[in-house]
Amino acid sequence: EDKVVQSPLSLVVHEGDTVTLNCSYEVTNFRSLLWYKQEKKAPTFLFMLTSSGIEKKSGRLSSILDKKELFSILNITATQTGDSAVYLCAVEWGNTDKLIFGTGTRLQVFP
Amino acid sequence: DAGVTQSPTHLIKTRGQQVTLRCSPISGHKSVSWYQQVLGQGPQFIFQYYEKEERGRGNFPDRFSARQFPNYSSELNVNALLLGDSALYLCASSSTGTFRNTIYFGEGSWLTVV
Repeated sequence: EDKVVQSPLSLVVHEGDTVTLNCSYEVTNFRSLLWYKQEKKAPTFLFMLTSSGIEKKSGRLSSILDKKELFSILNITATQTGDSAVYLCAVEWGNTDKLIFGTGTRLQVFP
Repeated sequence: DAGVTQSPTHLIKTRGQQVTLRCSPISGHKSVSWYQQVLGQGPQFIFQYYEKEERGRGNFPDRFSARQFPNYSSELNVNALLLGDSALYLCASSSTGTFRNTIYFGEGSWLTVV
């Protein structure tokens, strides 16, 4: 059965800390891996990763994919209270819009 | 331009009833997908429609059905509601039906079954 596993499930840090969120996957028809941020309702897109070893960056956020070991990490440096959210990892299955999501990591950043 | 719009935003239904949720994709997008997100879990794929045809179906019972209209809007129907159907229902649209960071999610419809 296809699955995506995220860890930790929950994380509490102080502003300025650096965090690493993990995502491992076992998906038969892997096409890409995506990270989303969900604060209230709609997940908002962060990154899409298709190739191993190529880091993607956006401000304080960065992510990398290892297709040999079947995992990805999302790093957030110098965290801010506005980073508090659930971070979702998803794998795109085949040539479709079907995304297989993990349970998410709930990040809480306190001042 | 308007994003993906969903209606209603919140609704409460009784067990055994039927519900219809609606989604309007971004203008020009021909693919619509539906996801169910139970509290504390990640979204689960229910259906994808592309050019008015079902392109994919997740592991949901036949009580769940959907359709896409000529204007590419979509409806998700759930019959014989159970307490476990209480969830956030998300609609997503994309331009080609093949994901390339062009998929956008709506704000969702919160369904509570009592």
